[in-house]
Amino acid sequence: AQSVTQLGSHVSVSEGALVLLRCNYSSSVPPYLFWYVQYPNQGLQLLLKYTSAATLVKGINGFEAEFKKSETSFHLTKPSAHMSDAAEYFCAVRANNAGNMLTFGGGTRLMVKP
Amino acid sequence: DAGVIQSPRHEVTEMGQEVTLRCKPISGHNSLFWYRQTMMRGLELLIYFNNNVPIDDSGMPEDRFSAKMPNASFSTLKIQPSEPRDSAVYFCASRPEGSEAFFGQGTRLTVV
Repeated sequence: AQSVTQLGSHVSVSEGALVLLRCNYSSSVPPYLFWYVQYPNQGLQLLLKYTSAATLVKGINGFEAEFKKSETSFHLTKPSAHMSDAAEYFCAVRANNAGNMLTFGGGTRLMVKP
Repeated sequence: DAGVIQSPRHEVTEMGQEVTLRCKPISGHNSLFWYRQTMMRGLELLIYFNNNVPIDDSGMPEDRFSAKMPNASFSTLKIQPSEPRDSAVYFCASRPEGSEAFFGQGTRLTVV
């Protein structure tokens, strides 16, 4: 069984400030981990993914995430927020035993203040 | 490739009517997923297919919901009869073996 918890359903930062979106997972087997972004009235787009290679994963739009097994975490960060980063972000986990099921967290809405 | 294509983008229907949502996955992708997104419950996996075969439909809320995948390039999600609580955004996603899922833009369903 696998699950994902995203701490904070809403996060607000100022433009230029650090973005930190938290994700903790639970998985009975080594996981694949994903961050997706959803802009208003759009589908989900993949930001980045961890598939047991490097623990620090770089994605699109300057985002990155670090897999920490000891903390069962996969937090998403960006050094400097931009107004265009305002969106909803979803963390997801999939067992790497060839299973297909992707389990999503509840999502975090990021707001960026000018 | 045009990506995962869903139709219609918006659907407004009266309670009790049948609703059919459609999805065309990306060519060559062998897995297809249907998700429902609501404010209260977030993203829920309803059902997924692998090579056109339903693998797990444990997320389908009740017998009013049914999904089919008659071939590798088309899937439908049907609700009959529809109820106001079915109002949500329904996403279809597809993925090739060993890679990540690609999502369609969703169908916003409103049942009045």
